[in-house]
Amino acid sequence: GQQLNQSPQSMFIQEGEDVSMNCTSSSIFNTWLWYKQDPGEGPVLLIALYKAGELTSNGRLTAQFGITRKDSFLNISASIPSDVGIYFCAGPPGGSQGNLIFGKGTKLSVKP
Amino acid sequence: EAQVTQNPRYLITVTGKKLTVTCSQNMNHEYMSWYRQDPGLGLRQIYYSMNVEVTDKGDVPEGYKVSRKEKRNFPLILESPSPNQTSLYFCASSFVVWGAGANVLTFGAGSRLTVL
Repeated sequence: GQQLNQSPQSMFIQEGEDVSMNCTSSSIFNTWLWYKQDPGEGPVLLIALYKAGELTSNGRLTAQFGITRKDSFLNISASIPSDVGIYFCAGPPGGSQGNLIFGKGTKLSVKP
Repeated sequence: EAQVTQNPRYLITVTGKKLTVTCSQNMNHEYMSWYRQDPGLGLRQIYYSMNVEVTDKGDVPEGYKVSRKEKRNFPLILESPSPNQTSLYFCASSFVVWGAGANVLTFGAGSRLTVL
């Protein structure tokens, strides 16, 4: 089936640094979602992107829907310790309306 | 409070002993899904349901069963659990909004299952 490839797999950064991660697919997606999972919790939606080229912000987080529709990017500015967690990209395989597949996640660690 | 509730949150069991993980949502969502999370493998879909009495296999359905007799409940059944089903399981739900792109999932808090 379709797969989403996320990179990097993990990141260790200093508090205050900016973070960039991305997600790519071999096929076109018409929606990209970014989720964050805090330790011991279920994933929570951060940002939803529905249009190619769209750039959307949520506080210090900014995500972009790639022009090719095969990739998406998530940036976090001025990281803080509570940014620690696993970040997942997700999208509907084969353009399906209800179903979602997830990338393997980027694990972020922030040193105070 | 709008939520997805899973039970049990933690369970240790033995090989072959049937178990059920319940999932209930109070948001009147049509779509429900089960995922398992394993280190390095991310979230993999087990089964999903677009509405009552409609279920479909995800990427890793082997060894699992589901049912969707009521809109709010979507139990995950392990008829004969094996050690390779030791994992963290998540239930999720959403509305199905046709023509608007993928829908936003609300996740439960997770059920950590250990099969000895």
